Amino acid sequence: KNEVEQSPQNLTAQEGEFITINCSYSVGISALHWLQQHPGGGIVSLFMLSSGKKKHGRLIATINIQEKHSSLHITASHPRDSAVYICAVRGAQKLVFGQGTRLTINP
Amino acid sequence: DAGVTQSPTHLIKTRGQQVTLRCSPKSGHDTVSWYQQALGQGPQFIFQYYEEEERQRGNFPDRFSGHQFPNYSSELNVNALWLGDSALYLCASSVYPGQGIDTQYFGPGTRLTVL
Repeated sequence: KNEVEQSPQNLTAQEGEFITINCSYSVGISALHWLQQHPGGGIVSLFMLSSGKKKHGRLIATINIQEKHSSLHITASHPRDSAVYICAVRGAQKLVFGQGTRLTINP
Repeated sequence: DAGVTQSPTHLIKTRGQQVTLRCSPKSGHDTVSWYQQALGQGPQFIFQYYEEEERQRGNFPDRFSGHQFPNYSSELNVNALWLGDSALYLCASSVYPGQGIDTQYFGPGTRLTVL
């Protein structure tokens, strides 16, 4: 079992829909990151969380330390949100990435 | 500010060959990390360079080696290529220790295909 599991692996939705991507991890962590990767490879850091909830524009990230679970939400989704979203956790000595969730938003 | 640049963009090699990938960090950054991302997978940490020395290493064989130059740019070398090395290789720069992903700036990657 991978230390970081994301679901779903692929998600297709219509413009305007509310999107949720989930991340579960099995190791102790000091921080959890949500990243966005556009076609061509460029990766951008969206959020770093160690507790609670953060919001940036239409993006919301939450983390439940006790349940070892985090969610990334996108409100009023738009085709430009189409990308791969990656969850990454920092444990004691290393950074572990999830396999990513490919999101496609159709107009 | 050009950000993090990588070259080449794409590369095709055959099994057994050697490859060198290059990375120039964002202006003001002194630390370079390399990641391997296989198709459909998340990035895997290869190693990190600071002050021209390898500071941390992930679970990669010795076939993977690197170098950092006085101008902070870096090279990733892979010897004896095999099919499983086909991946997107990402370079990320930061200011030391810069281990948090939120402090790292990623390049566009080099797509390596091994035939």
